Amino acid sequence: DTEVTQTPKHLVMGMTNKKSLKCEQHMGHRAMYWYKQKAKKPPELMFVYSYEKLSINESVPSRFSPECPNSSLLNLHLHALQPEDSALYLCASSQDYSGLQETQYFGPGTRLLVL
Amino acid sequence: RKEVEQDPGPFNVPEGATVAFNCTYSNSASQSFFWYRQDCRKEPKLLMSVYSSGNEDGRFTAQLNRASQYISLLIRDSKLSDSATYLCVVNLGGSARQLTFGSGTQLTVLP
Repeated sequence: DTEVTQTPKHLVMGMTNKKSLKCEQHMGHRAMYWYKQKAKKPPELMFVYSYEKLSINESVPSRFSPECPNSSLLNLHLHALQPEDSALYLCASSQDYSGLQETQYFGPGTRLLVL
Repeated sequence: RKEVEQDPGPFNVPEGATVAFNCTYSNSASQSFFWYRQDCRKEPKLLMSVYSSGNEDGRFTAQLNRASQYISLLIRDSKLSDSATYLCVVNLGGSARQLTFGSGTQLTVLP
């Protein structure tokens, strides 16, 4: 079973709503990630946090706002989304050291539908 | 040219068959390599890391050819439960922040 949890599992929101996605990991990892995945496409990186600081923002629109309250928690605040933002939003974590076999572990995702 | 390219699939094979997936990567500085599997409407899950000498985990064998910048995954004695999309993932090095995903190869194992 995954040790990265995400809530909610499903979310339907209107274009004027504000909502938040939550992610928690219990592996002591120091890097956490948000990805967006559309059907039949690979995950697309949005944000990377390392040691609670934002280290990568892949030119994501400001209607997506990440937050990392502590090393175990990661939030994604959503505001004024568009229907094309409907997707599976995946959280991942990794240890964040320079080990060659380090990789990322994913949570189960939040399936978002914007109406 | 895509950074990580995979066989487009889909692969439809009978139970018990052997199937192989290929993946090529463009950045010769890539340091580590992985195969993930993703079931329909689920998250990607790490299947196996790929080591320079090749490695095996039960029915799964992964191989790396750095000279040709090529990775493969072999599945022997396919099971219905192997049906999934297989993602080739490459790490440019350092920490795991620089993962690059292939577009995935869809496998369906038929009864």
